[in-house]
Amino acid sequence: AQSVSQHNHHVILSEAASLELGCNYSYGGTVNLFWYVQYPGQHLQLLLKYFSGDPLVKGIKGFEAEFIKSKFSFNLRKPSVQWSDTAEYFCAAYNTGKLIFGQGTTLQVKP
Amino acid sequence: NAGVTQTPKFQVLKTGQSMTLQCAQDMNHEYMSWYRQDPGMGLRLIHYSVGAGITDQGEVPNGYNVSRSTTEDFPLRLLSAAPSQTSVYFCASGPPSYNEQFFGPGTRLTVL
Repeated sequence: AQSVSQHNHHVILSEAASLELGCNYSYGGTVNLFWYVQYPGQHLQLLLKYFSGDPLVKGIKGFEAEFIKSKFSFNLRKPSVQWSDTAEYFCAAYNTGKLIFGQGTTLQVKP
Repeated sequence: NAGVTQTPKFQVLKTGQSMTLQCAQDMNHEYMSWYRQDPGMGLRLIHYSVGAGITDQGEVPNGYNVSRSTTEDFPLRLLSAAPSQTSVYFCASGPPSYNEQFFGPGTRLTVL
């Protein structure tokens, strides 16, 4: 069965620190990959997505993610986090109508 | 466009009661889905639909029913509510060509 796992459940960083959140998916076929963000009290918003082509994908607010097919990974990165990046981050994989999410990573950025 | 709308925003039920969570979208999306969000478990897919008249089960379908009689609406029915169904429920819709889903604001359900 298709599944997505996120390695970090809770991350605490200081402002200006670099961020990398891990995501692995278990599906051998064609899969589209996403990162969503949920700010406190809000619903999910799309950060970035990968369908095909350049494996380095840039999204909104300075986020990027790299698709590594051989590792079934789609890690999220940001060179310098801000306090406003405090949120929950979800990796997701899509195939044939089903979008499956990972468990989520709570990011807390200290000012 | 209103996007994806959900009603109600909050609901409290007693064990054994039934109810329907409403979801509607005005973007003419073929794909619609229901998720529940629980702390530490992310979002789990309950049911999804790839078009009017077509529904299928997701990861956690037990205790929930869906139907898709129109493109716009995708209601989720709880037949006999249980405390384990206390959660935040999100509806989403998306076009098949982009495989991206847009989420509604959620319904917070408490079952006592």
